[in-house]
Amino acid sequence: IQVTQSPSSLSASVGDRVTITCRASQSVSNYLNWYQQRPGKPPKLLIYATSSLQSGVPSRFSGSGSGTDFTLTISSLQPEDFATYYCQQSYDTLGTFGQGTKLEIK
Amino acid sequence: QLRLQESGPGLVKPSETLSLTCTVSGDSISSLTSFWGWIRQPPGKGLEWIGSFYSTGTFYHNSSLRSRVTMSVDTSQNQFSLNLTSMTASDTAVYYCARKLVAPTEALDSWGQGTLVTVSS
Repeated sequence: IQVTQSPSSLSASVGDRVTITCRASQSVSNYLNWYQQRPGKPPKLLIYATSSLQSGVPSRFSGSGSGTDFTLTISSLQPEDFATYYCQQSYDTLGTFGQGTKLEIK
Repeated sequence: QLRLQESGPGLVKPSETLSLTCTVSGDSISSLTSFWGWIRQPPGKGLEWIGSFYSTGTFYHNSSLRSRVTMSVDTSQNQFSLNLTSMTASDTAVYYCARKLVAPTEALDSWGQGTLVTVSS
C-alpha cells in the first residue's frame, strides 16, 4: 500500500490553522496514524486510528478521514509545532509511511 | 516507564554486515500486546520499516530488504537484534527500534533515540 502526503512542505505562522493530507493507494479502513518529528529526535505518535489522540498530545491536534483519504489538522499553531509530520498506514503489519510534510515558520 | 535503547557500531565498511541490538526496559518483548521492530531513516529522508516480530515467533520483513535481513530475539535479556548484510552507502541511516502496540493503537507508540550508522571505507 502506497501512502502519499501533501504538501511536502508548508509555511505558516503561529496561530494559523493548518491541514496536512494523506492518501492511501487502497482502503486502509481507519488504520492511519500521524507522527511528529523534530530534528535529531525520533518520531512521536500524535494520533492513531485516524482520530484518536495519543495520551499527552495537545487537543489542538486532530485527525479525520476513512478509507483512503485522511487529514491532520492543527487548529492554532504553536512555536513547538514546527516540525516534520508523517502519516503511516497500519493496515499492513509493516505499515508504510508517507514521505513527510515539513512545517516551517513563515 | 518504557525505554528502548539501540546499540551498535556507528561506522560500517561497504559489503560488511551491520549488527544492532535493542535493549528494552519497562515492558517485555514476549508480551502478547506488542510487536517490536526496526525502522530506519536516511539523512534528510523519510521513514522505512526494516522488519518486526511478534511474541509468537513470527517475523515480518520489508520485501525490498528481506534477503539481507535477519532478526533475532533474546528474551532472557529482553533484547532483540538486527543483522543487515552487504551494506552499501545507501544503507547509511539512523536506525530506530520501536514498539507497536497491537491494541488499541496499532501504532508505533515508543521509539529508541536512534543510532546513526554510516557506511564508508
